[in-house]
Amino acid sequence: AQKVTQAQTEISVVEKEDVTLDCVYETRDTTYYLFWYKQPPSGELVFLIRRNSFDEQNEISGRYSWNFQKSTSSFNFTITASQVVDSAVYFCALSGQDSGGSNYKLTFGKGTLLTVNP
Amino acid sequence: DTGVSQDPRHKITKRGQNVTFRCDPISEHNRLYWYRQTLGQGPEFLTYFQNEAQLEKSRLLSDRFSAERPKGSFSTLEIQRTEQGDSAMYLCASSLAVREEQFFGPGTRLTVL
Repeated sequence: AQKVTQAQTEISVVEKEDVTLDCVYETRDTTYYLFWYKQPPSGELVFLIRRNSFDEQNEISGRYSWNFQKSTSSFNFTITASQVVDSAVYFCALSGQDSGGSNYKLTFGKGTLLTVNP
Repeated sequence: DTGVSQDPRHKITKRGQNVTFRCDPISEHNRLYWYRQTLGQGPEFLTYFQNEAQLEKSRLLSDRFSAERPKGSFSTLEIQRTEQGDSAMYLCASSLAVREEQFFGPGTRLTVL
């Protein structure tokens, strides 16, 4: 079975601070994908990034960066110089070929509510 | 590309009534997923279509739930004899078969009184 744990339920920072959201996953699959989604107050899930299990290179996109460490089964997300517009719930998710099938359904963590105060 | 759309956005119904939701995926996407999200939780997988074939249903999908995707285009999710525990946000997502990222619609928020 697959599992995603986001231990931080809520984080509150002041604008311009850096913040890291943690994600730890469990899977028996050798091929799998990891994702981050943002859910702003409007409610619609917004895709941020996808990584596959064979690519451990870290990635940077503007103020966002992601650190994938297979050895610790972690896929952490850092926002640099946070802004009020970053306030949202952030979900880490995992998909892979579970034994018996491969439908690529997403298994989500419970999410981290990030509040960026001015 | 107009994204994934869902209708209605909100639905209030009385316990015991039937409800039906519609999802229109991104036009070239052949995979379509339904998820359910309750307050304070991440979305949970309900069912999945590749084209018109429903390939998997979660244990969460009781006999009162049925989903269809005729002609491999839009999909409907019907809940019969609704219960208060069905109150949730129902999310639809779609993806291309060769890509893994799923793109989500705005959801249908169901309230069962």
